Amino acid sequence: GAVVSQHPSRVICKSGTSVKIECRSLDFQATTMFWYRQFPKKSLMLMATSNEGSKATYEQGVEKDKFLINHASLTLSTLTVTSAHPEDSSFYICSARQGGWYEQYFGPGTRLTVT
Amino acid sequence: AQSVTQLGSHVSVSEGALVLLRCNYSSSVPPYLFWYVQYPNQGLQLLLKYTSAATLVKGINGFEAEFKKSETSFHLTKPSAHMSDAAEYFCAVSDNFNKFYFGSGTKLNVKP
Repeated sequence: GAVVSQHPSRVICKSGTSVKIECRSLDFQATTMFWYRQFPKKSLMLMATSNEGSKATYEQGVEKDKFLINHASLTLSTLTVTSAHPEDSSFYICSARQGGWYEQYFGPGTRLTVT
Repeated sequence: AQSVTQLGSHVSVSEGALVLLRCNYSSSVPPYLFWYVQYPNQGLQLLLKYTSAATLVKGINGFEAEFKKSETSFHLTKPSAHMSDAAEYFCAVSDNFNKFYFGSGTKLNVKP
């Protein structure tokens, strides 16, 4: 149980285009989903927290207009990187939580490369 | 506020030797502590977690960690390293399963 999937696993896009990454909880309802970014050889940094049906809460320094997060259902959250630039290239990982005191389950990550 | 410090970005051990990965935390509230493993180009897999029950926590793949409040530590150990243990390991702290704060990671190399 408690499986989180991400799609796509890898994506290459051209500078200036937008790309959408999906995060799905496969066998539980995720009231809260989290998006992390992992820079090469660095740790994960929380970008934003999204609760189903409400606006995402972004961490300080994260551009909400650039990283659009939608959590329209209890099993799906999407991260859209708008007008992508090479510096947006990174490994993006989502996690999902079932309820207030449940642990987070992490997805396998999406490798974004912007050329 | 919570934070995690992992001493040693790279640790190298011989196969069969003891694995010790260090993690110290800072937390203003009783913490929940986690160890995750990450293989190349993959997400995080939970090894074990401390949630205020037993201070010695046993996880998967023979790993265990001990919560020491007096030392604010949660070091990860495994008695005998296996080649398949080579990966990057992250320690994390959370106050309520909401925000996770990750350490900078320790890359474990296992020599034959």
